[in-house]
Order: sequence, then structure tokens, then C-alpha cells
Amino acid sequence: DAGVIQSPRHEVTEMGQEVTLRCKPISGHNSLFWYRQTMMRGLELLIYFNNNVPIDDSGMPEDRFSAKMPNASFSTLKIQPSEPRDSAVYFCASSSWGSGANVLTFGAGSRLTVL
Amino acid sequence: AQRVTQPEKLLSVFKGAPVELKCNYSYSGSPELFWYVQYSRQRLQLLLRHISRESIKGFTADLNKGETSFHLKKPFAQEEDSAMYYCALSGAGTGGGNKLTFGTGTQLKVEL
Repeated sequence: DAGVIQSPRHEVTEMGQEVTLRCKPISGHNSLFWYRQTMMRGLELLIYFNNNVPIDDSGMPEDRFSAKMPNASFSTLKIQPSEPRDSAVYFCASSSWGSGANVLTFGAGSRLTVL
Repeated sequence: AQRVTQPEKLLSVFKGAPVELKCNYSYSGSPELFWYVQYSRQRLQLLLRHISRESIKGFTADLNKGETSFHLKKPFAQEEDSAMYYCALSGAGTGGGNKLTFGTGTQLKVEL
């Protein structure tokens, strides 16, 4: 398995533009998580899905952010319109629950710069 | 609500010195605690979890429910230990999968 795959790895865009980040979780994993990493706030959970259903989106900053998981092998995080304060590294992670211990496998991250 | 606190943003130690990365948590139920590590230019990865009671790369962490702490320790720091370390807590979610909350991280720098 290639692990959790994220694209793009780097994105530079201008304020006001739409940004779409993509994630392919590990095959067979039931849960998918979107995190944002910044120097000031560390890793913040934005939203997570279980069996493609959004469970907790309380970490989504505002209405400009949305996330979807149309099937078990794909998820998107969209920012529209983007702002400079959205600049961060966005991580996707997946896990397989059932054993009781929730161990996440992370993607390489998408580094977003909004000018 | 679940919360993880890592009071130190940066910890600098000399090679061979003991290391302790602090982590405190707040959770009303029975937590599962983890340490994740991110080496330079690598993905964030699991280092260890409290239920395994294992030592990984010389690191150990003991869950102290009385003090609500899960400090990460290593008796002798090595240069390759330099990395960002995140403490994380898994609490009960709904629908089966558990929500993992991370602290703000501690950058460990091991100097020669």
C-alpha cells in the first residue's frame, strides 16, 4: 500500500481563489481525518469521517471551509474563498477502528500558501 | 471536551542528557494516550501508545491518571531524536471511530 496519498503537495494561490485539497486514504480504513498544522496552534482537527459520514466538523474554522467524502477511497477539503490566514500545512490521516486503539496513518501533507 | 497541553514549544538538550517532554491532558472518560513524532522532511508517525507499554527508540511514557500526565522520557538523548513531538489523546467518538486530539507539539533539539 502506498499509504495515505495527498495532492497537491504544494499550492500557492491568491486571496479569494478556491482551493481544493485531495486525499486517498489507506484501503480498508474506516476513518478519515483532516488536520491543519501551523506554528502557533500545532495540529488542529478540522473534521473527521467514519464510514464516509462526517462525525465532527466542529474544528472547521468557518463556512469558507467544506469537506466531502463521496466514497471510501477519496476525500476533499475545499476553501472558498481562500485568505492569507489559511496558509498552513493540511494533513489527511486515516485509521482502522475495531481494535480499540485508534492509530492514525498520516499523509505527507499539502502546504498551502495564500498570497 | 478533550484537551492536550504541551507546555514547552522548544526543548534543547545535549547529547547523552536525559529527556522529558511534558504532556498533560483533560478528559472526563478513560483516555488513550499517544506520542507521535515528525522528523525533518518525514511524515508524522506514531512513536508509542500507552496501552502497549512499550519502549520505542529508547523512549517510554507512563500514563499517570492522578496527575493526568503522559510525559515522554528517554535516559540518554541522541542526535537523531531531534524532531517535533506531539502528544495525542483519543476519546470516545460516535459511530465507532475515535477522535484524536493533539497538543501543540514540542520541538526537541539535541545538541552535540
